[in-house]
Amino acid sequence: EVQLVESGGGLVQPGRSLRLSCVGSGFMFDDYAIHWVRQAPGKGLQWISGISWNSGHIAYADSLRGRFTISRDNAKNSLYLQINSLRAEDTAVYYCAKGSNRRSRVTGGFFDYWGQGALVTVSS
Amino acid sequence: DSQMTQSPSSLSASVGDRITITCRSTHDISISLNWYQHKPGKAPKLLIYDASSLQSGVPARFSGSGSGTHFTLTISSLQPEDFATYYCQQTYNTPLAFGGGTKVEIK
Repeated sequence: EVQLVESGGGLVQPGRSLRLSCVGSGFMFDDYAIHWVRQAPGKGLQWISGISWNSGHIAYADSLRGRFTISRDNAKNSLYLQINSLRAEDTAVYYCAKGSNRRSRVTGGFFDYWGQGALVTVSS
Repeated sequence: DSQMTQSPSSLSASVGDRITITCRSTHDISISLNWYQHKPGKAPKLLIYDASSLQSGVPARFSGSGSGTHFTLTISSLQPEDFATYYCQQTYNTPLAFGGGTKVEIK
């Protein structure tokens, strides 16, 4: 069974940093692109970033480039999202999602499996 | 960037109704368009990929069509479990993007 499990969420003060993690199981983690998507309260889904199977292709949403850094450690079946200088508007549920195409770039295909999400609340 | 616009942003419908949601892209994205269903507290669920292919396990009342810049999701006979928010997504180029969502509510 394919599973993606996020961790690292919680209450964080504005201006601080946070690293989210996502561990995958039940599939060949190092063969697939993985993405981060978030949903702020009362808002829609927002794609944040994606990283290809070998980290050779990385992309970010234009509005988020600079404060967000995606990375992966295939030896640990893990994906990460580093968020710096947190703002109130970063309050959201953060999901990791698996890309469908084997050994592809960030583009193409679809998101066939999602984690249950990690809640990040930015507040003093 | 290929930005995605969905319409309507919300709709009210009854069980058994046929509904159609539209998604438009600012650029030609071929058929790299997917549809997801999202319910509160749950992970989004893939319904349609490549504009018109039904994901395994998804009921046949869901269908998708379109190519280029204009796409539609149709539910032929709305069921109680279909009340949710629906999103289109383009994966043709980066940055990837979701539409703003269409909330389907019970009339």
